[in-house]
Amino acid sequence: KNEVEQSPQNLTAQEGEFITINCSYSVGISALHWLQQHPGGGIVSLFMLSSGKKKHGRLIATINIQEKHSSLHITASHPRDSAVYICAVRFYWGQFYFGTGTSLTVIP
Amino acid sequence: EPEVTQTPSHQVTQMGQEVILRCVPISNHLYFYWYRQILGQKVEFLVSFYNNEISEKSEIFDDQFSVERPDGSNFTLKIRSTKLEDSAMYFCASSGFYGHEQFFGPGTRLTVL
Repeated sequence: KNEVEQSPQNLTAQEGEFITINCSYSVGISALHWLQQHPGGGIVSLFMLSSGKKKHGRLIATINIQEKHSSLHITASHPRDSAVYICAVRFYWGQFYFGTGTSLTVIP
Repeated sequence: EPEVTQTPSHQVTQMGQEVILRCVPISNHLYFYWYRQILGQKVEFLVSFYNNEISEKSEIFDDQFSVERPDGSNFTLKIRSTKLEDSAMYFCASSGFYGHEQFFGPGTRLTVL
């Protein structure tokens, strides 16, 4: 079954906290994407991973292909990080499947 | 900075009517995608398009849907006979290379009455 599961579904953090969002998938993939969906609905691509680790500013994304698991970390969280973070995978046969998203609220 | 644009931002239509949603991808991109997000639900893949033909499509993308790149800039999604359940936000995206980062448009909110 083609599943993408994210945890937690909702997350509230104090400004400055280190945040981790997890994504697990069920079968082999060719790529995994982390996306950010703003309260207004717009979607921004944060990372595309097929192996290892990527870093951009305060955001770090890792993937473990053997364990079929990826994490998105936010260091020194800020209220402007408040958004829904979505994990999406491209399975080997080409289609994309999306997780249900993690709604993050960072309180000042 | 180049961006993907979509028009209209909001479309209201009567059930059974045809709608065309328009997207202008980033100019040198080669791969194009449509996604939808029903209110309160997760984003769903509809179709990908490369070299003037569909590369992959999901189970949602049935005969009521079609895509076209009518000229060098626009990428359109047509729904032939809209149903109430087609009400959703539709996102277009493009990427320069297969499997690379996708750039999303702001979305078109479709409301079917």
